[in-house]
Amino acid sequence: SQQGEEDPQALSIQEGENATMNCSYKTSINNLQWYRQNSGRGLVHLILIRSNEREKHSGRLRVTLDTSKKSSSLLITASRAADTASYFCATDETGANNLFFGTGTRLTVIP
Amino acid sequence: NAGVMQNPRHLVRRRGQEARLRCSPVKGHSHVYWYRQLPEEGLKFMVYLQKENIIDESGMPKERFSAEFPKEGPSILRIQQVVRGDSAAYFCASSPLRGSQETQYFGPGTRLLVL
Repeated sequence: SQQGEEDPQALSIQEGENATMNCSYKTSINNLQWYRQNSGRGLVHLILIRSNEREKHSGRLRVTLDTSKKSSSLLITASRAADTASYFCATDETGANNLFFGTGTRLTVIP
Repeated sequence: NAGVMQNPRHLVRRRGQEARLRCSPVKGHSHVYWYRQLPEEGLKFMVYLQKENIIDESGMPKERFSAEFPKEGPSILRIQQVVRGDSAAYFCASSPLRGSQETQYFGPGTRLLVL
């Protein structure tokens, strides 16, 4: 089993700009999920994309999945200071019972 | 709808003591997962339980750690004879079906500090 790897590890942008975070993984998956974690808090589920989907939107979030490259990206458009958090991708591997989390991207949105 | 509840939110123990972490899943969810998060790292899977059964404990240390999810009451993660390396945030998640088919809903976590 392999965890996802996010990049960049840290990202700092101005409010209003777009933020893009990438996630790569190594195994066959059923789906890939993105979560947000504010400092010292629990995880909030953002979006789930299944292995047969290529793109998904939810409000200001856009997620893509390329299973041939084993990678996903999370785009946050028109960022706000409240988007400041750590963002994790989590893969649901075929045959596994749990999610495998990456190390996260720490996003800072400067007002 | 109440989400996943965990208590306590913060727990301080001295080396050698026992730590008991409780998790109440979303009402109607019968699948519970425990994860551990060290500072500046992602979550690492520990154990997956359904009511009264441990399904997968491959991520849980064989010694000192145990988990249960009784027919009635919350899921319990127990750490005996804690050591400083056990200091971490412990998160519980629940889902109505096995995690591969459904989103896992996370609790706020219990932050354990071992002095």
